[in-house]
Amino acid sequence: DAGVTQSPTHLIKTRGQHVTLRCSPISGHKSVSWYQQVLGQGPQFIFQYYEKEERGRGNFPDRFSARQFPNYSSELNVNALLLGDSALYLCASSLEGSGGNTIYFGEGSWLTVV
Amino acid sequence: AQSVTQLGSHVSVSEGALVLLRCNYSSSVPPYLFWYVQYPNQGLQLLLKYTSAATLVKGINGFEAEFKKSETSFHLTKPSAHMSDAAEYFCAVTRRGGYNKLIFGAGTRLAVHP
Repeated sequence: DAGVTQSPTHLIKTRGQHVTLRCSPISGHKSVSWYQQVLGQGPQFIFQYYEKEERGRGNFPDRFSARQFPNYSSELNVNALLLGDSALYLCASSLEGSGGNTIYFGEGSWLTVV
Repeated sequence: AQSVTQLGSHVSVSEGALVLLRCNYSSSVPPYLFWYVQYPNQGLQLLLKYTSAATLVKGINGFEAEFKKSETSFHLTKPSAHMSDAAEYFCAVTRRGGYNKLIFGAGTRLAVHP
């Protein structure tokens, strides 16, 4: 069975540009979450979506937005990119949306902002 | 608020030696606890998960962790290190109830030398 898949795997953007990252959860999983991992640090929670509704949001500016589609796939959008947005963006899925459900991660999308 | 502290950003062991990676959590109620491993340039892989069924949790690749409520700890151990265990290890916590948000520690980089 396919795990969590993300695209693109690597991308380079210029400051001020916009980026869209995509994620397909494990088949049957209804919840998708996004995390940002800056080099040398642990992942930081950005969003969780469950059944197409935002369930939780981390401490990130409004430049970050996301959505979940009827097929449970998800997009993360970041506007007005800053150099500090350079990071590994991890998508994760779980069967349900409540705490304690095992969360499975994708391989991530490496974003470099120059 | 919940938090996770991983003692030791770098741990180095000899092949065949005991691996001990330390994790302490802060939470008003016993949370769910996880250990993830991250190999270079990859996403996160779940090693094991504590949900209160048993205090000693066995995971993949010979790892196990023991939940100690009195010490608010969830240390990860492996009796005999293998070269392939070299990676970054993250302890994470999520609260019971609410939405499924993982709070990660800063990570511990494990080096295994011959």
